[in-house]
Amino acid sequence: KNEVEQSPQNLTAQEGEFITINCSYSVGISALHWLQQHPGGGIVSLFMLSSGKKKHGRLIATINIQEKHSSLHITASHPRDSAVYICAVKPGAQKLVFGQGTRLTINP
Amino acid sequence: DTEVTQTPKHLVMGMTNKKSLKCEQHMGHRAMYWYKQKAKKPPELMFVYSYEKLSINESVPSRFSPECPNSSLLNLHLHALQPEDSALYLCASSQEAVFYEQYFGPGTRLTVT
Repeated sequence: KNEVEQSPQNLTAQEGEFITINCSYSVGISALHWLQQHPGGGIVSLFMLSSGKKKHGRLIATINIQEKHSSLHITASHPRDSAVYICAVKPGAQKLVFGQGTRLTINP
Repeated sequence: DTEVTQTPKHLVMGMTNKKSLKCEQHMGHRAMYWYKQKAKKPPELMFVYSYEKLSINESVPSRFSPECPNSSLLNLHLHALQPEDSALYLCASSQEAVFYEQYFGPGTRLTVT
């Protein structure tokens, strides 16, 4: 079993829909990252969380440390949000452990 | 400036060639990283430099040789690569301690023929 599990693996939605991507992890962590990767390209760091909730534009990330679970929400989704979203956790001072990613496609 | 730059964007090399990948950041970050990413897989950590010293080598074959000439620049020297080394190579940096919030570059897509 992977230390970081994301669901769903693939998600297709229509423009304007509310999107939720989930991340569960099995280890104690000091921080959790949500990353975005567009096809063919580099990675953008969206959020780094250690507790509670963060919001940036249409993106919201939450984390529940007790339940070892985080969610990434996208409101009013747009085709430009189509990308792979990766959850990565930081167990203490150790290296990042990545989830397998969620491939999101938003159709016009 | 919150950008990590990488050159070249694409590289095709033969198994006997020697080439280098370059990564640069001007955010004053003191930790820099090399990752390898195969298609539809998450990134895999290769090397970490902290204050210009190699602090982590994830048992990477010696045909990959990292170098950190100064705090802004990170190189990855490639020699005698194999076709299975074809991948996206990502550079990242973080502010201070290892593995704080990382800023990633756009990557170099490497093809070994």
